[in-house]
Amino acid sequence: DQQVKQNSPSLSVQEGRISILNCDYTNSMFDYFLWYKKYPAEGPTFLISISSIKDKNEDGRFTVFLNKSAKHLSLHIVPSQPGDSAVYFCAAPNSNSGYALNFGKGTSLLVTP
Amino acid sequence: DAGVTQSPTHLIKTRGQQVTLRCSPKSGHDTVSWYQQALGQGPQFIFQYYEEEERQRGNFPDRFSGHQFPNYSSELNVNALLLGDSALYLCASSRWAGGDEQFFGPGTRLTVL
Repeated sequence: DQQVKQNSPSLSVQEGRISILNCDYTNSMFDYFLWYKKYPAEGPTFLISISSIKDKNEDGRFTVFLNKSAKHLSLHIVPSQPGDSAVYFCAAPNSNSGYALNFGKGTSLLVTP
Repeated sequence: DAGVTQSPTHLIKTRGQQVTLRCSPKSGHDTVSWYQQALGQGPQFIFQYYEEEERQRGNFPDRFSGHQFPNYSSELNVNALLLGDSALYLCASSRWAGGDEQFFGPGTRLTVL
């Protein structure tokens, strides 16, 4: 049962434009969300997170928005750069399972020059 | 700080064989979690080790077992390999019960023929 869903397998954006990656979740007990970025032949690396007490968290070019009523979050990258091309995973830890992460399937972002 | 390291990088086995994968956590971390990432999927939680004991387990059969050593390093063992076990196996380390960010290693690519 997929509790974290990323319904867009891929996204292509021009350099300088905004990239918006979406994520939905089904478990209302989730209270913390993370975005990980993964390059080929590397492990996922933490990008940005948000607590359920907030609806927005910003870190440089990256902003995550959380809509708890819709059980939806999104990652905005502005401006997008070619080096941002990677697979992005949305994840939520399950506090009842030692904070084991529930991951979405990922969205492959391609930023073209 | 070497971060999370995993060995080997790649491995090819045949059905029915057994395999052992290894992980060394990031300095200062005492908890190791293992994830399986099949092609086109997000990482799936296998189990988590702390104080040399399995603390949490995901929905994986008993063919998957592990061990944690006093120096916090860990092994993942898979017996009676199936074709469907072909995947990228990721190790992540963190500090126990902190809900902290998990740091991932580069993974071991297992191919079962």
